[in-house]
Amino acid sequence: GAVVSQHPSWVICKSGTSVKIECRSLDFQATTMFWYRQFPKQSLMLMATSNEGSKATYEQGVEKDKFLINHASLTLSTLTVTSAHPEDSSFYICSARGAGALSYEQYFGPGTRLTVT
Amino acid sequence: RKEVEQDPGPFNVPEGATVAFNCTYSNSASQSFFWYRQDCRKEPKLLMSVYSSGNEDGRFTAQLNRASQYISLLIRDSKLSDSATYLCAVILTGANNLFFGTGTRLTVIP
Repeated sequence: GAVVSQHPSWVICKSGTSVKIECRSLDFQATTMFWYRQFPKQSLMLMATSNEGSKATYEQGVEKDKFLINHASLTLSTLTVTSAHPEDSSFYICSARGAGALSYEQYFGPGTRLTVT
Repeated sequence: RKEVEQDPGPFNVPEGATVAFNCTYSNSASQSFFWYRQDCRKEPKLLMSVYSSGNEDGRFTAQLNRASQYISLLIRDSKLSDSATYLCAVILTGANNLFFGTGTRLTVIP
């Protein structure tokens, strides 16, 4: 149980275009979802936290108008990178936390590798 | 100042060796502590939670020292399959999210 999927697993896009990444909790309801970004040889950096039905809370230095997060249901959150630039190329990982027994751990998706050319 | 600091390594050890990693955290209000394992180009996977009393899972032992604000991970009898990056992570009191260290790269050599 507690499986999180992400789609796509990798994407290449041209500079200036937008890319949407989906994060789904497959067998539980995710009350909170987190979006992380990881550059090569660096740690996971939290970008934003979202609760179902409310606006995401962004970490300092993360542009909310560039990284649009929607958490419309208890099983789906999306991250849209708008007007992508080469410096946005990174590994984007979502994680989800459920309720009750599933609230003690964050369950990570497999990540999406974004390359902007 | 980073919330969590780790020695990035790399640590190159022979099979069968014992290796230990430390991780320091800056916020005394940190309430929960974890070790994750991350393989190349993969998501982090929870290895173990870290409790004040220490905990052991097979060849892996985790310790928490609140006074000195560090957590440790000990791996005994290293296997080739232990080669990975080991990330420590903390959750602050009242917060909901994980803060990760930069990770320590371990390579176990035959």
